[in-house]
Amino acid sequence: ETGVTQSPTHLIKTRGQQVTLRCSSQSGHNTVSWYQQALGQGPQFIFQYYREEENGRGNFPPRFSGLQFPNYSSELNVNALELDDSALYLCASSVAGGRGTDTQYFGPGTRLTVL
Amino acid sequence: GESVGLHLPTLSVQEGDNSIINCAYSNSASDYFIWYKQESGKGPQFIIDIRSNMDKRQGQRVTVLLNKTVKHLSLQIAATQPGDSAVYFCAEIHPSYGNNRLAFGKGNQVVVIP
Repeated sequence: ETGVTQSPTHLIKTRGQQVTLRCSSQSGHNTVSWYQQALGQGPQFIFQYYREEENGRGNFPPRFSGLQFPNYSSELNVNALELDDSALYLCASSVAGGRGTDTQYFGPGTRLTVL
Repeated sequence: GESVGLHLPTLSVQEGDNSIINCAYSNSASDYFIWYKQESGKGPQFIIDIRSNMDKRQGQRVTVLLNKTVKHLSLQIAATQPGDSAVYFCAEIHPSYGNNRLAFGKGNQVVVIP
C-alpha cells in the first residue's frame, strides 16, 4: 500500500452532471498529480498541484479543474460530464513535483462511469 | 511528443522463467524512466526507475536496461511468479515539463502460466 487514498471507489453519473473526486496524499508528500486512465490505455496526465497551486496541465479542457488544500489533499472536479469521461481517475503523490524526478505513488483510483 | 509505446501487447511466460518487457520511447530528451506494475482493480505500483545517465539498474528480481541510442527501455523479471501477472507500463519524464508529470505508454499484459 502506498498510503495514497481516493474516494469514492466507484461513481456513476449521467451526461451533463458534475463530479468531485478526492485524494489524500501520502504522509510527507506535498504534490498531487491527477491522471485519467481509459480502459486498456495508459494513464494520461491531467494536472498537478504543488503547494496548493496548479503546477502543469495536460491536454484536458477547462471543465477539468482541481484544488489542493493546506493538508495537501486534493480534489478533481469535472463539469458537464461527457460519455468519454468514463475512466479510472488516479491520483499520485510525491515529495516535490517541482524537482522533476520524484517518484510518484498512486492511489487505487476512482472508477467513474458516465451514462 | 509524449509518446511512450510498448512492442508486445501480451506476454505469456511459464512460472519460474525470466520475463522481458520492452518499451520504445519517442522523446530523446527524456531523462528519467520508470516502470510501473498495475494489477486488476489497483493503481500503478512503482517497480524501478532509471536515469538517462545510466544503462542498467537492478532491483529485487528486476533489472531495467536503457539504450538511449535506439530509445529503448526493457524490464527483466527473474524467476517470474504468479504474482507478477499484471499490466506493466513504462513512463518517461521530460525535463521541459518542469514537473514530474509522467508520460505513459499503453501497457503490456504479462500472464504467468503456473
